[in-house]
Amino acid sequence: SQQGEEDPQALSIQEGENATMNCSYKTSINNLQWYRQNSGRGLVHLILIRSNEREKHSGRLRVTLDTSKKSSSLLITASRAADTASYFCATDAAAAGNKLTFGGGTRVLVKP
Amino acid sequence: GAGVSQSPRYKVAKRGQDVALRCDPISGHVSLFWYQQALGQGPEFLTYFQNEAQLDKSGLPSDRFFAERPEGSVSTLKIQRTQQEDSAVYLCASSPGTTGEQYFGPGTRLTVT
Repeated sequence: SQQGEEDPQALSIQEGENATMNCSYKTSINNLQWYRQNSGRGLVHLILIRSNEREKHSGRLRVTLDTSKKSSSLLITASRAADTASYFCATDAAAAGNKLTFGGGTRVLVKP
Repeated sequence: GAGVSQSPRYKVAKRGQDVALRCDPISGHVSLFWYQQALGQGPEFLTYFQNEAQLDKSGLPSDRFFAERPEGSVSTLKIQRTQQEDSAVYLCASSPGTTGEQYFGPGTRLTVT
């Protein structure tokens, strides 16, 4: 079963706009990761945020984590057509060993 | 360097056939994971190896699913007597340690007819 929910399920924006997606989870975590998946391909790791961190940046990506609300957000700034993909959050739960538990994903379409 | 590779990339099996899916992790990676991804869904955990030891197989959906990593490198996921509900993409991932970022292969798309 999925650890949590991602919101929205789908997002359509114009190139240059920002894209924000949210992830909620249910149990205590060690860290939370975001992955990107292009159609028909494997997942690519984007960013990892530890449970004791609140915000992290990597290039055009900004991730926040609120452990009190058990939620995270991913912001992609100045989006490009190449950002079109599905984005998944994944948690490494403290009580679940090393496996990742994924959300259902947000499908992002960036229109040129 | 080479990433995680999986073979075959596509497999069509008739219901009742056995299939074997191979994963070559990044050299030296201690951890290896198998996930199942249904169409339009996020990946779901199947099983985890640390070196050659299978430490978690809680996600394997039935006893028809079997995984091994005998020498702590290449892993094989075997599905016996395939059923239509086994149709999915099977993803393999490896990690240099026991936590943190996982590196995914391109997946094997299994279609059971």
